[in-house]
Amino acid sequence: EPEVTQTPSHQVTQMGQEVILRCVPISNHLYFYWYRQILGQKVEFLVSFYNNEISEKSEIFDDRFSVERPDGSNFTLKIRSTKLEDSAMYFCASVRGYGYTFGSGTRLTVV
Amino acid sequence: AQTVTQSQPEMSVQEAETVTLSCTYDTSESDYYLFWYKQPPSRQMILVIRQEAYKQQNATENRFSVNFQKAAKSFSLKISDSQLGDAAMYFCAYRRGNTGTASKLTFGTGTRLQVTL
Repeated sequence: EPEVTQTPSHQVTQMGQEVILRCVPISNHLYFYWYRQILGQKVEFLVSFYNNEISEKSEIFDDRFSVERPDGSNFTLKIRSTKLEDSAMYFCASVRGYGYTFGSGTRLTVV
Repeated sequence: AQTVTQSQPEMSVQEAETVTLSCTYDTSESDYYLFWYKQPPSRQMILVIRQEAYKQQNATENRFSVNFQKAAKSFSLKISDSQLGDAAMYFCAYRRGNTGTASKLTFGTGTRLQVTL
């Protein structure tokens, strides 16, 4: 069964640094998403991406965040000037029709 | 805005017994999808079951079934013959129907299910 692959599984970074979280969506999917889950809390929508542009973003997705699909396969989430409160599990999802497929997540720890 | 409410932070069930997890939602849309996701300790999000709002028949997947009450905006998950591997966090989620573009999932706060011997 096709999978969404996320790397790395765990990233530790110092506050103020930049991080890039990577995702390889399912190849014939058209819509891509990032969600985050702060430990013990609910899963929150960050951004959706379609046709090489952002289609929707939440208020969490401030100007420190960016997404791109640089080579037609990878889908990346970049966070600049990381803050302690960015520590969370970040999930990538790709969608075709109503079917969401989530990756296994990247645990980001900002110290 | 759509909201999803899970009023049971924790539930416990004995192995082989049946448990029901509650979920209510609020929306003004008529076309939407509802989902239950399982999140084990590995924290991966695993789809358990899906319900289309236009379908009156309740969805069933093996030991998992839902009770979809559209008028009451209720979407509960029933797990029959509970197994130790069912222990996890369960999230209810809502998605608007097909408007030409896929739409985001809105999640509830989750219910942690413990399965005891």
